Parts: sequence; C-alpha cells; structure tokens
Amino acid sequence: SYVLTQSPSVSMAPGQTARITCGGNNIGSKSVHWYQQKPGQAPVLVVYDDSDRPSGIPERFSGSNSGNTATLTISRVEAGDEADYYCQVWDGSGVFGTGTKVTVL
Amino acid sequence: QVQLVESGGGVVQPGRSLRLSCAASGFTFSSYGMYWVRQAPGKGLEWVAIISYDGTNKYYADSVKGRFTISRDNSKNTLYLQMNSLRVEDTAFYYCAKDPGEGNYYHYMDVWGKGTTVTVSS
Repeated sequence: SYVLTQSPSVSMAPGQTARITCGGNNIGSKSVHWYQQKPGQAPVLVVYDDSDRPSGIPERFSGSNSGNTATLTISRVEAGDEADYYCQVWDGSGVFGTGTKVTVL
Repeated sequence: QVQLVESGGGVVQPGRSLRLSCAASGFTFSSYGMYWVRQAPGKGLEWVAIISYDGTNKYYADSVKGRFTISRDNSKNTLYLQMNSLRVEDTAFYYCAKDPGEGNYYHYMDVWGKGTTVTVSS
C-alpha cells in the first residue's frame, strides 16, 4: 500500500515561514491535499490539488508537489496556525500522511 | 450553510455491532460522494470508506473490509456506517466528510462533521 511520510514536528517563531513536507513514491504524479486539525476539532481542508486554496483560507497557505515530495508552506506564521497538518492522496483508496505538529514558539 | 452531524457513537463490547449516522444539510446530498474517516486516540487520520453519490459504488480500507458497511439514504440526506464484529483497535473518533465532486469523485474531503466517538472495550 502507498505510504506518505511526514516529519513529526516543526517549530518556528511568529512571522517565520513553515515548510511541511510529505514524502511518497513519485508523489508528483498524484494530486495532494492538505488538512489542518486544531486540538479537539475536526480537520479543515487548507490546500487541494497540490496548490489550490478553498475559499476562506488565507493566501499565506500554499502548496507544491514534485518528484517524491509535496510541500505545504505557511508564510508569516501566526499563533492561530498551531495545529496538526496532514497530507492526503488517493491511490485506489484514501491515504493520509502521518501528520506534522506545527508549534508556534 | 453546509453541515454534517454524526451520531450513534458509544461504548460497545468487542464482537458487537454499532451503526453510525451522519445527517447532511445545506447542499444537495444526493449529488456528492461521501466518506468515513477515523482517528484513534492520539493518532493520525485513517480513511475508512467511500460511497458514490448514488450509493452504487463503495470502497473500504483493508482494516475494515468485510466488517463495516457504508450506505446512504438520499431521501433522508443521511450517511451510515454499519460496524460489525468490532475490535478494540476500532476505538476512534469517526468523522463523515463530503467529496466536492458533483456526480463524480475528486477524492478529497472539503467538508467534515465534528465526529462521534466509538469505544470498543470489554
């Protein structure tokens, strides 16, 4: 089965840029979607189809996908961005990444 | 506004059954594929099942295949998950979610419910 690997955690100060990676075999050939999950809340879609943003999601959230790595970038990080982030693809079944905890110092 | 509300969770013994429901509102339920996704305590997200807009196509994660059944009643705007032969490892928060593709799959989830908790324990 297809495996998506994310680094467990990233930390940065407010105003810095967070880059969250999602590794998978030839993931660049798939559409990657990203979800934000704050403690005690349901996930929220923040990026779909590699780099598109749903309405209401700030432009600070952007995505890219090439080769074996997809990346979610959060520019000018704010305290409210502190959450777990999951990548997801479809490979004949739904596959979620292992999740990355973003901590804003 | 688009809303999904899960219900039916609870505490159940191993080997028993439970049926979850997800009431949809604010969109044309019968036009969209739907998902169940679960999250074990302190763990990540796990895709469970998907059903097509008309209920004719269903796919399951290997971990639940043969034990869980996804279904829908478009006249009631409701999605279901029948869970049989429950195991301790099925303990999780269960979310229903909507696919954004009208009459088709886009294979991601654009709207999520708040979830319902299932605990399997003797």
